Amino acid sequence: RKEVEQDPGPFNVPEGATVAFNCTYSNSASQSFFWYRQDCRKEPKLLMSVYSSGNEDGRFTAQLNRASQYISLLIRDSKLSDSATYLCVVNGANAGKSTFGDGTTLTVKP
Amino acid sequence: NAGVTQTPKFQVLKTGQSMTLQCAQDMNHNSMYWYRQDPGMGLRLIYYSASEGTTDKGEVPNGYNVSRLNKREFSLRLESAAPSQTSVYFCASTLWWDSGANVLTFGAGSRLTVL
Repeated sequence: RKEVEQDPGPFNVPEGATVAFNCTYSNSASQSFFWYRQDCRKEPKLLMSVYSSGNEDGRFTAQLNRASQYISLLIRDSKLSDSATYLCVVNGANAGKSTFGDGTTLTVKP
Repeated sequence: NAGVTQTPKFQVLKTGQSMTLQCAQDMNHNSMYWYRQDPGMGLRLIYYSASEGTTDKGEVPNGYNVSRLNKREFSLRLESAAPSQTSVYFCASTLWWDSGANVLTFGAGSRLTVL
């Protein structure tokens, strides 16, 4: 079993739709959690950190469920520019332990 | 600030040739990383350097060596390139501290093809 698992998709949604991605992790000692966005052939960039209390940034909401060991990302009112691959990242206790999921691909269509 | 700078951006090698990918960061980060990303897959850690003077293997270290030249620079060397090393390589850095929200900053990537 992979340490961090994501539904690869692809998710194809119309503009304005709400879409949710989930990510599960296996190490209960994991300390911090993130969503990164990666555009085609570009480097990953931080979208948002994920806090235990849940957090929101505009149209994006991230949630963490430590008991069930999953994190989620909700995108409301999808835009064409949201089309990208979304990577779930889980950090352990030491400097080498940033583990990436394989990513979920989102395509938003007109 | 330039952030994380990788060179070269593109490289084509023949099997058996050697090369070094260079990475430099100007953010005073202590930890630096080399990842590879194959088509349709996530990032896999090759080697990392938690702090200047230390290096450790990641998930896929075979066929690679690294050098943490100083706090700013972390290089990745392929001694004898193989077609299986055809990939996109990303360097990343962060200011790692215990229990911190350690966000990685990535370079633009180096696209390597081994024929």
